[in-house]
Amino acid sequence: GQNIDQPTEMTATEGAIVQINCTYQTSGFNGLFWYQQHAGEAPTFLSYNVLDGLEEKGRFSSFLSRSKGYSYLLLKELQMKDSASYLCAVFNFNKFYFGSGTKLNVKP
Amino acid sequence: SAVISQKPSRDICQRGTSLTIQCQVDSQVTMMFWYRQQPGQSLTLIATANQGSEATYESGFVIDKFPISRPNLTFSTLTVSNMSPEDSSIYLCSVEVLGRNTEAFFGQGTRLTVV
Repeated sequence: GQNIDQPTEMTATEGAIVQINCTYQTSGFNGLFWYQQHAGEAPTFLSYNVLDGLEEKGRFSSFLSRSKGYSYLLLKELQMKDSASYLCAVFNFNKFYFGSGTKLNVKP
Repeated sequence: SAVISQKPSRDICQRGTSLTIQCQVDSQVTMMFWYRQQPGQSLTLIATANQGSEATYESGFVIDKFPISRPNLTFSTLTVSNMSPEDSSIYLCSVEVLGRNTEAFFGQGTRLTVV
């Protein structure tokens, strides 16, 4: 089976840094993805890790530890437009399995 | 990348009826998927739409309830059959582009309300 856990909701202040964690227990693993989803819209791709370590893309970074079944998404210099849900997904046997998502509220 | 056109974008349907959702991709893709996203929740994979053969369903989803067609490499349909209010959800079509930068792309979704 596939078990992917994320916090349900987080709140942070504009300009700050926030880390969203994801733990997973899956029957296989071919990569860990992060998607952003604004209310009423389709998910959009943010980052992808297949090897251990940190991947940086502008204000967004993602970290993976395969031995611990753990990933996090780091958002720096938060902006109001970053208020959205963030979905952690494990890519396994050519399928994506999504966590329940973390709703991030950015306050002024 | 891939651009996905999904329609209808929303519909309100009577219980007991069926709705067919269409998904058109701007390029040929091997892997197409259908997801359900219930209010406030994440995406749940319904099935993989296979070109030239029957769809592969995830646990808890059956072909009689969610028949899927995949006539070619750019198009698929999902039908929600004999609808009940519990089927009210967002349904999303997705394609995977595999390779150096593997990624899933999503259609805009179909917001279904069953009354």
